[in-house]
Amino acid sequence: GAGVSQSPSNKVTEKGKDVELRCDPISGHTALYWYRQSLGQGLEFLIYFQGNSAPDKSGLPSDRFSAERTGGSVSTLTIQRTQQEDSAVYLCASSLDRVLGFGPGTRLTVT
Amino acid sequence: EDKVVQSPLSLVVHEGDTVTLNCSYEVTNFRSLLWYKQEKKAPTFLFMLTSSGIEKKSGRLSSILDKKELFSILNITATQTGDSAIYLCAVEAQGAQKLVFGQGTRLTINP
Repeated sequence: GAGVSQSPSNKVTEKGKDVELRCDPISGHTALYWYRQSLGQGLEFLIYFQGNSAPDKSGLPSDRFSAERTGGSVSTLTIQRTQQEDSAVYLCASSLDRVLGFGPGTRLTVT
Repeated sequence: EDKVVQSPLSLVVHEGDTVTLNCSYEVTNFRSLLWYKQEKKAPTFLFMLTSSGIEKKSGRLSSILDKKELFSILNITATQTGDSAIYLCAVEAQGAQKLVFGQGTRLTINP
């Protein structure tokens, strides 16, 4: 079946602009995660959604970052007033049974 | 704070060699340890380990967990150029919704 999809695959933006990153999880997966991977680093947890429960936002690095998940499916990660340190690959993952299936990521470059 | 440390960070070997990748962890209320392979952007699942001393095997890849010494190893025998990737180790705690990832080991297999 279809895997996790993300868009755009690449995004170049100027410092100070807002960006929206989209994630379409695997159909039927109740859990959805956003991770960030900076160059040469491991994956840094950002936020987690599970069904209708309140999301776990404990990994969001600042209040410029927010995310929502509409209808228990598609999720959007928004970064306001982007900074150069926001440059990274943003990975979305979904799961049904604890094994995460990852999307191809969005490479964000802030110039 | 839960922590995962992988070593080496980078490894270059020749095709046909055997490699061992290491993952040590500190986690409150351990539940499982997972290995992922990341070739381009999307990490793909390799193994989930929950019990000490039980080897998980898939083709030329195998992994084992030591819950007493708090580490896991990933072995790859008869390496091929297609094994070149970043190998990520992650741990899951009881009751936690997120995986904590290590920095990854970048493995390069030269022909």
